[in-house]
Amino acid sequence: GENVEQHPSTLSVQEGDSAVIKCTYSDSASNYFPWYKQELGKRPQLIIDIRSNVGEKKDQRIAVTLNKTAKHFSLHITETQPEDSAVYFCAASMGGGYNKLIFGAGTRLAVHP
Amino acid sequence: DAGVIQSPRHEVTEMGQEVTLRCKPISGHNSLFWYRQTMMRGLELLIYFNNNVPIDDSGMPEDRFSAKMPNASFSTLKIQPSEPRDSAVYFCASTHTTGQETQYFGPGTRLLVL
Repeated sequence: GENVEQHPSTLSVQEGDSAVIKCTYSDSASNYFPWYKQELGKRPQLIIDIRSNVGEKKDQRIAVTLNKTAKHFSLHITETQPEDSAVYFCAASMGGGYNKLIFGAGTRLAVHP
Repeated sequence: DAGVIQSPRHEVTEMGQEVTLRCKPISGHNSLFWYRQTMMRGLELLIYFNNNVPIDDSGMPEDRFSAKMPNASFSTLKIQPSEPRDSAVYFCASTHTTGQETQYFGPGTRLLVL
């Protein structure tokens, strides 16, 4: 079946460093790629998304890149802060027009002061 | 505008009991998704509805699980009988199906089956 692979599963950085999380997807019809942040005990919340007609999107310290040919997309967080510590999930839409998302397994990011 | 609403927020029950989880999607959204999250299996899609009609229930683990959406503003996920391995956080999410739209998650129901 369709799947999304996410790496790394855990990531530890020092405050101020950059963090990069990578995902690959299998469904060539995928055209929407959101990233969610989930803090401990909370719901997943969208932090940024990218659509298939765009190669890169940036929002302050967060950026996402998409390579449709290679079927991979990445999340980049610059100047990390302790409050960035959370689990991050990538997702890719599936075909069918109902916005079904396939989620990656998540990356636990720890930012150390 | 209120977000997705789920109830109860926490549920503790004994094995064999029936459990009913409830969800109210964001007003105007016409797609609703039920997810289960565990440490071992991550975030799994159980079932989703479009315009109150179940579209894909292939993620429902077994016949003990059932879901309904009697109208555009309410959905239930029922487990009968419950088992300890059903312990998880259950999220409901909703979105528009007009294109590439974001799914908005509810706060989740934390279920513990003893």
